[in-house]
Amino acid sequence: EIVLTQSPGTLSLSPGERATLSCRASQSVTMNYLAWYQQKPGQAPRLLIYGASSRATGIPDRFSGSGSGTDFTLTISGLEPEDFAVYYCHQYGTSPWTFGQGTRVEIK
Amino acid sequence: EVQLVQSGAEVKKPGESLRISCRGSGYTFTSYWITWVRQMPGKGLEWLGRIDPADSYTNYSPSLQGHVTISADKSISTAYLQWSSLKASDTAIYYCARHEGIVMVTATPDFWGQGTLVTVSS
Repeated sequence: EIVLTQSPGTLSLSPGERATLSCRASQSVTMNYLAWYQQKPGQAPRLLIYGASSRATGIPDRFSGSGSGTDFTLTISGLEPEDFAVYYCHQYGTSPWTFGQGTRVEIK
Repeated sequence: EVQLVQSGAEVKKPGESLRISCRGSGYTFTSYWITWVRQMPGKGLEWLGRIDPADSYTNYSPSLQGHVTISADKSISTAYLQWSSLKASDTAIYYCARHEGIVMVTATPDFWGQGTLVTVSS
């Protein structure tokens, strides 16, 4: 199975700052079928990005995804208070589907 | 409005059986797969398997195959996740989510249920 490794484990930033989250795959992600999810405490995950770089419906343009092959990045261009959460990358190109272990973005 | 509504929290003993449900509304239930994802306490997300409600074709994660069964009843727009013999390690929140097919850029889950907490303890 494809192992996804996210870094850093925790990102401590202030509102307004730029967040850069990394996701590295143990092998190439088929067709760059890589998604990013946001999860807040007590809530289900929320789809942000699919196909490595396409924003899901209703997602603000401060969220952007990039990358291909084995290296992917989620960038939040200016953190809003509601963006402090845990973020997961997810590959859905090869079965079994897998998720990264998550990056927590916390308020500094 | 698209909704996936899951059944309520469960408390069970090891060895007991359980079936939890996920009812879809606001969309054509048979046009989207349903996938199940587990989140153990304080941990990340783990894919368990998926079903095409149109024909009940299923795929399972190799690590869970044989321990859980995924099914669906398209007549009532409901998918199920069931266990015949629970273990303490099954304690987790279980989410259902819909996705459009399995080999396309939009195949990743877009709408999720609210989650069902399953607690297995003697």
